[in-house]
Amino acid sequence: EAQVTQNPRYLITVTGKKLTVTCSQNMNHEYMSWYRQDPGLGLRQIYYSMNVEVTDKGDVPEGYKVSRKEKRNFPLILESPSPNQTSLYFCASSFSRTLNEKLFFGSGTQLSVL
Amino acid sequence: SQQGEEDPQALSIQEGENATMNCSYKTSINNLQWYRQNSGRGLVHLILIRSNEREKHSGRLRVTLDTSKKSSSLLITASRAADTASYFCATYGMRFGAGTRLTVKP
Repeated sequence: EAQVTQNPRYLITVTGKKLTVTCSQNMNHEYMSWYRQDPGLGLRQIYYSMNVEVTDKGDVPEGYKVSRKEKRNFPLILESPSPNQTSLYFCASSFSRTLNEKLFFGSGTQLSVL
Repeated sequence: SQQGEEDPQALSIQEGENATMNCSYKTSINNLQWYRQNSGRGLVHLILIRSNEREKHSGRLRVTLDTSKKSSSLLITASRAADTASYFCATYGMRFGAGTRLTVKP
């Protein structure tokens, strides 16, 4: 089954404790992206990747890191989480960003930073 | 900045009625997409309309696109309680607006 898998689904952590949210897709998609969703603000793009070893900042990249060492995986790293990073996070992938192909989304990760 | 802006922010209707929501955007596009999100879950792709198309149908969904006005509309006909969700449009750069929250009352 074609899918985007995010883990964990829920995460509670404390300020400053490094964490990684994993994302994997099994559709051989070139494009992957991370979003955060906050009430009233919709989805805001954090980082995206056009292909392996190619990543770029979205609209709200501060405080986040990503890597794309393999085509299927695109982890989101919070080196020193802060309470303002409490949010619902989504990973998404598509065949091509250039062609604006449809996105497939993961189930989301609800992160709480205390 | 957000590429798609949905309007209205919230919409409440009775089951069986039609629901219309709109999307405005700022830059040139090659296509526009609509997505649905059930509470707290990942977005699901509904329909894609290309810039050279004016209207597209999929089941009870009808999407129109007016590139001269940089706007699109999503019409859900004969709505059901199960259509209760948030609806988003996305344009170039895979950016989304804040969405339209649709509530369909039984």
